[in-house]
Amino acid sequence: GAVVSQHPSRVICKSGTSVKIECRSLDFQATTMFWYRQFPKQSLMLMATSNEGSKATYEQGVEKDKFLINHASLTLSTLTVTSAHPEDSSFYICSARAPNTGYGYTFGSGTRLTVV
Amino acid sequence: DAKTTQPTSMDCAEGRAANLPCNHSTISGNEYVYWYRQIHSQGPQYIIHGLKNNETNEMASLIITEDRKSSTLILPHATLRDTAVYYCIVRVRGNNNAGNMLTFGGGTRLMVKP
Repeated sequence: GAVVSQHPSRVICKSGTSVKIECRSLDFQATTMFWYRQFPKQSLMLMATSNEGSKATYEQGVEKDKFLINHASLTLSTLTVTSAHPEDSSFYICSARAPNTGYGYTFGSGTRLTVV
Repeated sequence: DAKTTQPTSMDCAEGRAANLPCNHSTISGNEYVYWYRQIHSQGPQYIIHGLKNNETNEMASLIITEDRKSSTLILPHATLRDTAVYYCIVRVRGNNNAGNMLTFGGGTRLMVKP
């Protein structure tokens, strides 16, 4: 149980376009989801906390107008990278608190974004 | 959450036990030790967690020192598929604050070799 599904697994887009990444909790409801970004050979860095029915909370240095987060239902959070640039190329991972599991958090499989 | 210190990288021979250390000298009494791993180009995967006592599951064993200032994750018979980055994280368990999240350090890059 407590599975998070993330799509797409990889995407290539042109500079200036927008890309949407979906994160779904398949067998539980997630009022809060977390979005991380990971550059090559680096650790995961939290970008924002997504709250169902309210505005996301962004970490310092993360542009909220560039990384749009929508958490419209208890099972879906989306991250949209707007006006993508090559420096936005990264591995994006979502996470949710896994209820009744004892281990706290479950993660999506990640999305490899390449901006060309 | 308490800070953790892990070696940057380790090698292990296939079939041997892999022992991954973690120092968490500032851990608080109500903080648990969690271990996750991340195989290349995948999301992190939960391995095990503990508070005081040693723990074992189908994936690994967790040995926590009596003073709780350090711990060791043991993979009893490492396989090539165990090659990954292993993260040791300490935090309060069951904190219902919706804003709380996992904070990742650098982790240990374990390379299992044939």
